[in-house]
Amino acid sequence: DAGITQSPRYKITETGRQVTLMCHQTWSHSYMFWYRQDLGHGLRLIYYSAAADITDKGEVPDGYVVSRSKTENFPLTLESATRSQTSVYFCASSEARLGYGYTFGSGTRLTVV
Amino acid sequence: KQEVTQIPAALSVPEGENLVLNCSFTDSAIYNLQWFRQDPGKGLTSLLLIQSSQREQTSGRLNASLDKSSGRSTLYIAASQPGDSATYLCAVSGSNYQLIWGAGTKLIIKP
Repeated sequence: DAGITQSPRYKITETGRQVTLMCHQTWSHSYMFWYRQDLGHGLRLIYYSAAADITDKGEVPDGYVVSRSKTENFPLTLESATRSQTSVYFCASSEARLGYGYTFGSGTRLTVV
Repeated sequence: KQEVTQIPAALSVPEGENLVLNCSFTDSAIYNLQWFRQDPGKGLTSLLLIQSSQREQTSGRLNASLDKSSGRSTLYIAASQPGDSATYLCAVSGSNYQLIWGAGTKLIIKP
């Protein structure tokens, strides 16, 4: 099915562990984004990518690593998870950097204990 | 630093009412403003995009206005329906091309 898929939907991990959140899109969109959403806050951009092998930091990149070896995949890795990284993570894709035409995934709810 | 505020944080109204959601931003130098809808457990869906040169956009029962000089946007929903229940978010894009998001307004339409 066409669209953007995030996995897993839910994840519980322990402090200090490495965890990777997956994002796959079938639109062949150039741009992909990772956001986190916390209660009382708007979405905050973690990293984005303009194309394969091109990534850049967003507003809150510390503690996260991304890669984009293929256009359709944009995994987000928490190198050493902390409780402050408990959040809902959304992946999005777009043909334009400015966000119109965004397609969002359903999100991954990550809990760090 | 751009900040986006949405008021109210939550709103509950009877079905059939017309309603207005508000979004304000601190820096008027924006490229565009967008309204999104978020349903529980799902991603976000783009509703309306207003370019900085535009005053309003309409889609069905939705109308969004933009007043850059005052740093305000409103989303007007006509003849509300229970299916309109969701969280509505606005986001602005500025010179650094990043989207800055409000925290959202949770809307409940009572049958």
